[in-house]
This record gives sequence, structure tokens and C-alpha cells, in this order.
Amino acid sequence: AQSVAQPEDQVNVAEGNPLTVKCTYSVSGNPYLFWYVQYPNRGLQFLLKYITGDNLVKGSYGFEAEFNKSQTSFHLKKPSALVSDSALYFCAVTNSGYSTLTFGKGTMLLVSP
Amino acid sequence: DVKVTQSSRYLVKRTGEKVFLECVQDMDHENMFWYRQDPGLGLRLIYFSYDVKMKEKGDIPEGYSVSREKKERFSLILESASTNQTSMYLCASSLLSTATEAFFGQGTRLTVV
Repeated sequence: AQSVAQPEDQVNVAEGNPLTVKCTYSVSGNPYLFWYVQYPNRGLQFLLKYITGDNLVKGSYGFEAEFNKSQTSFHLKKPSALVSDSALYFCAVTNSGYSTLTFGKGTMLLVSP
Repeated sequence: DVKVTQSSRYLVKRTGEKVFLECVQDMDHENMFWYRQDPGLGLRLIYFSYDVKMKEKGDIPEGYSVSREKKERFSLILESASTNQTSMYLCASSLLSTATEAFFGQGTRLTVV
């Protein structure tokens, strides 16, 4: 079975500071990893994904994520947070043998002015 | 842009009613999914479909059924609504490859009273 852990329910950062939202995963075979963002009362929006290749993946709105195979992690990062980044963030995993994503429980990011 | 449209943003139904949640996508995606989202539990997969008239159980199918008569439409049915089915329901679609991202609808917040 595949699984995702997002160890922090909430992350607080000040605007302009770097942010990190943590994600670790468990899956058999090669992982396909995704980050999604959800704004209040909205569906999920795709941010970025890792399938293969460079361990550092760049995505929408200035976000990036680093794939670390030895630590089975895929942390989401941004060099300088904006108040508008405040939202709920989900990490998800699958592999080539599955047709469905397994999501983490989500991390609420709060960026203060 | 890919568009996934859910028929209702908010629904209030009575216990025991049969409830239909409709979802339509306009990008000719093979896969369609129904998730429910609850605070602290993240997204949990109810059912998915990879082709017309095909359906597969997800992690929490009890109390639900689905219908996919046309490629673009995927319906979730609550046979006899109960209060513990009060939740946010999210529909998503994707191409058949697991390396591609899923696109989500805006969600339906269902309240069963």
C-alpha cells in the first residue's frame, strides 16, 4: 500500500521569509509525486510534480520541491512567502502501477504580513 | 483550460434521501474520480472510473455508488443519505497515465440533516 505523511498540520511564516511544507511518502517502485493547493471553498489546483529526472522541480507561483529518494521525502519550498500563499497544501503519491493518487492529510500554510 | 464542473456548490438533504452528485469534464479524460474531504483526514477516494461503464472501488465505497454512462460524465450516488455523509465532495479527472496530474472541480459541500 502507498501512503503519504504531512507531519505538520499548520505552518506559520512571515511574509518575505522562506517557507517549507514537509512531505514523506511510502510506495513500491518508482514514485510519482504531486503537490496541490486548495484555497477556501475551492477545489484543488495542481502546483508541481516529480516523475523522473532532476530532483529539484519547479512549479506554479514560484514554488519548487525537492525529491530525496534516500529520505523518501518531497518537501515543498518557496524562497519568499506571500500573504496570498496562505492556503491548504496537499502532497500526493502514486507510481506507474497504480491509477489513483494517495493524498496526505494536508498542511495549512499561514503567511502573516 | 481543463474544466471539471460539479453540478452544485452546496446541497442540503434529509436523512434517507437518495442524492445525486454530478460531474462533467471537457478534456476527454479517461479517468474520473470522486473523493470526499474531511478536516484532519485529507482526501479519501470513494470510487473511480477509467472508462465508460467501468468503475472501481476506492478506499471508502460503503454507502455510495457511481455511474459513468458517457465519457465526460461521472455521477456519485448516495443511496440513502446519512448524517455521517455530510462532507465536501470533490470530483477529478485525468488522462490514463499516472504520470499526469488530476484536475479538480470546485467541490460540493453536502449537508445531511
